[in-house]
Amino acid sequence: NAGVMQNPRHLVRRRGQEARLRCSPMKGHSHVYWYRQLPEEGLKFMVYLQKENIIDESGMPKERFSAEFPKEGPSILRIQQVVRGDSAAYFCASSPPTAQGITEAFFGQGTRLTVV
Amino acid sequence: LAKTTQPISMDSYEGQEVNITCSHNNIATNDYITWYQQFPSQGPRFIIQGYKTKVTNEVASLFIPADRKSSTLSLPRVSLSDTAVYYCLVELFNDYKLSFGAGTTVTVRA
Repeated sequence: NAGVMQNPRHLVRRRGQEARLRCSPMKGHSHVYWYRQLPEEGLKFMVYLQKENIIDESGMPKERFSAEFPKEGPSILRIQQVVRGDSAAYFCASSPPTAQGITEAFFGQGTRLTVV
Repeated sequence: LAKTTQPISMDSYEGQEVNITCSHNNIATNDYITWYQQFPSQGPRFIIQGYKTKVTNEVASLFIPADRKSSTLSLPRVSLSDTAVYYCLVELFNDYKLSFGAGTTVTVRA
C-alpha cells in the first residue's frame, strides 16, 4: 500500500504563472488535508477536503489559492499568479473515513515550490 | 501568545536517552499533547499523544505532570536515524487544524 503521493516533488514557477500541486491519498482514505511550511517556520493548516467537498478552508489565503478533491483522481492545490512569498513546502495528508482525528493521518513528502 | 515553548536544538550521542521538555502553560481542559517527528524533506510523522500521566509506545514515552503545564518526550537509546525536528503540539483531540511551531532540532552524533 503506497503512502501519500505528492507530485511534483519540486516545482519552479516564474512570478505570475500558475502552480498545480497534486496529492494522491493512501488507498481507502477519503479525507485530505493541505499544509504549508514557509522557510524557517512550522507547518500551518490550509484546507481540509473530503471527496467532492471542501470541509474547512479557513487556512487558505483568500485570493489566488484554491483546492479540490474530485470524485476521481488526486486532490489539487492550485495557486494562480504566484508571487515570491508563495515559495514554500506544501504538504498533503490523508486519513481514512473512520479516523479519530488527524493523528491517524499520514503525510506525504511534500512539494517544494520555488517562485523565481 | 505561543501555545507551546520548546528548546530550539539539542545534541546527543548514539545510545543515549533524549528528553525534550515542552511548556504549555495555557493548556485547556480539552487539549491533548501530541508530538510529531519530521525528517529533512519529509512530511511530519505522528509519534505519540497523551492527556495526562504517562504514555508509552514502541517509539517513545510521554510524561505529563498533574498540572499538565509541561510535558516531556523521551526517546530511549537514540540512533543516528533519530536526527530530526520534533514538534510539540497542544490541540483538541480531533482537531485537524494543527499549528506547528519551530520545533526542536535533535542532532544525534556517533
